[in-house]
Amino acid sequence: DVVMTQSPLSLPVTLGQPASISCRSSQSLVFSDGNTYLSWFQQRPGQSPRRLIYKVSNRDSGVPDRFSGSGSGTDFTLKISRVEAEDVGVYYCLQGTHWPLTFGGGTKVEIK
Amino acid sequence: EVRLLESGGALVQPGGSLRLSCAASGFTFSNYAMAWVRQAPGKGLEWVSSISGGGDGTYHADSVKGRFTISRENSKNTLYLRMNSLRGDDTAVYYCVKEGGSSSFGGMGVWGRGTTVTVSS
Repeated sequence: DVVMTQSPLSLPVTLGQPASISCRSSQSLVFSDGNTYLSWFQQRPGQSPRRLIYKVSNRDSGVPDRFSGSGSGTDFTLKISRVEAEDVGVYYCLQGTHWPLTFGGGTKVEIK
Repeated sequence: EVRLLESGGALVQPGGSLRLSCAASGFTFSNYAMAWVRQAPGKGLEWVSSISGGGDGTYHADSVKGRFTISRENSKNTLYLRMNSLRGDDTAVYYCVKEGGSSSFGGMGVWGRGTTVTVSS
């Protein structure tokens, strides 16, 4: 199985400051069609997960442009350019290239 | 608007069975693969099962293989998860998830609110 390793586990941030979450996979996530199926999800307290980013860097409709995704191969990053109070929650990466589908363990973003 | 409404969660004894349902609306159900993802209390997300739009392709996590079965009834816009031989570590919120196409897996673009399964004596 592909292991998805997120860091850090916890990320205290100051409002208005940037934040960065890393996600590393144990195998390359490039699929045979040339696409890389790596997504990012936000789960606010008490809510269902919501997808923010798909195929590494494509932002979902309605997602603020302060969220961006980057990376390739086995190394990926989610960045928040300026953290707002509504960004508090747990963030997960997901690889959709290999069966079984696997999530990272999550990164908890909180305000300092 | 795409909507996914899960139901069927309950308190069940170890070794028991349950069937979860997910009623979908707001899109052409048969054109999209679907999935179930679960989250144990205080834990992260775990993929459980996926099914293609036509229902001919199904996939299950090793942790549930042989015990859980994903299926769908396209005429009723409904996704199911049949759960047998339930164990304590199956206790979780189960989310219904819409994928990006008929045979497109791992995108998980839209999530339901979840239904809670508790396995306990």
